[in-house]
Amino acid sequence: ILNVEQSPQSLHVQEGDSTNFTCSFPSSNFYALHWYRWETAKSPEALFVMTLNGDEKKKGRISATLNTKEGYSYLYIKGSQPEDSATYLCVLDTGRRALTFGSGTRLQVQP
Amino acid sequence: EAGVAQSPRYKIIEKRQSVAFWCNPISGHATLYWYQQILGQGPKLLIQFQNNGVVDDSQLPKDRFSAERLKGVDSTLKIQPAKLEDSAVYLCASSFPLRQGLITEAFFGQGTRLTVV
Repeated sequence: ILNVEQSPQSLHVQEGDSTNFTCSFPSSNFYALHWYRWETAKSPEALFVMTLNGDEKKKGRISATLNTKEGYSYLYIKGSQPEDSATYLCVLDTGRRALTFGSGTRLQVQP
Repeated sequence: EAGVAQSPRYKIIEKRQSVAFWCNPISGHATLYWYQQILGQGPKLLIQFQNNGVVDDSQLPKDRFSAERLKGVDSTLKIQPAKLEDSAVYLCASSFPLRQGLITEAFFGQGTRLTVV
């Protein structure tokens, strides 16, 4: 069973703070890495999919980087807003059609 | 494009009762997944179907859980009998790529929140 680790487990920040989370994965099983955002009572929503070492992706105030050699990815949120409150899931794709999820980082942004 | 449909959204049952969840994936998606998310943990794959065949059910507790996808479209997941530790969100997802070596992007339903009391 593959192990995808995310830290921190939860985070409380004030509106306007910037924050970042970490995802670690076994680099030998890497094919692609997905970040999903999961708001309470909604479906997880795809944020990014990254495949190449050194990849950087950006969507508004959210960006992600990838290091496949050392097996980690960072997700950054600049100037957090209350609507960013959600669980952020890191998901390893081994290229064999099933996905392995991390336990998620639960972000709460206080107005 | 319609998304992945799941029902019911919420279910409360007593331990030892039976329960069934239903999932209708996105049209044309050959792969269907059932995930279990227990509070505080990441989603865990229970079973993966490719069309109507099982690809992976290694983490499905087969003494009490069963799943089927008879016509390769919609799927049901059943728990019989339920235990307290089965309280979780059950997520269904579907994806398109049919061949290995392609990136898999999964589309999720809203999940069924099961509470066993």
